[in-house]
Amino acid sequence: KQEVTQIPAALSVPEGENLVLNCSFTDSAIYNLQWFRQDPGKGLTSLLLIQSSQREQTSGRLNASLDKSSGRSTLYIAASQPGDSATYLCAVRRGGADGLTFGKGTHLIIQP
Amino acid sequence: GAVVSQHPSRVICKSGTSVKIECRSLDFQATTMFWYRQFPKQSLMLMATSNEGSKATYEQGVEKDKFLINHASLTLSTLTVTSAHPEDSSFYICSARGLGQRNSPLHFGNGTRLTVT
Repeated sequence: KQEVTQIPAALSVPEGENLVLNCSFTDSAIYNLQWFRQDPGKGLTSLLLIQSSQREQTSGRLNASLDKSSGRSTLYIAASQPGDSATYLCAVRRGGADGLTFGKGTHLIIQP
Repeated sequence: GAVVSQHPSRVICKSGTSVKIECRSLDFQATTMFWYRQFPKQSLMLMATSNEGSKATYEQGVEKDKFLINHASLTLSTLTVTSAHPEDSSFYICSARGLGQRNSPLHFGNGTRLTVT
């Protein structure tokens, strides 16, 4: 059974810092991996999707990498802003027709 | 594109009653919809997968007679929590995938906060 772990569980940093969120998964046979942000009481916003054949994806200040063989992904946030404060979720999909297996998330606070 | 609308956003009901949650794809045809729930400080857990016109596939430990899923059209899936109990209080959220979107990001509704008193 796939298990997804996110470290750290919580992180608080001053505005402007670059930071890295970590995600690991136990079964490397994944179809793709997706990073989301979740604001309190809200739904999920998709940030980046990495297919199993890809190594990284970038969108603005966000960069996600994938090392499928070692079961790891990182989300890099450059020049953090208070608006980046949210819970960041990592999720993997086993097959193209399957749902997602989520980690518990990293609760991020960016201090102004 | 790929907007998923979920309704209601919040619902409070009494123990023993049933609650229906709707998930709609607004600008695409959702051949597959996924239902998740999230308990406080826990990760989102997949409950079931529904394909349009077919019976839903439930994850282990999810009671299919308690959580009724209907996916009768390509734009609407419903989750009915029957005979709700306080332990069913949770955040329920759906996501949808369209035909030919296997390699696309899964998009989610805004979720429904269910409180059973």
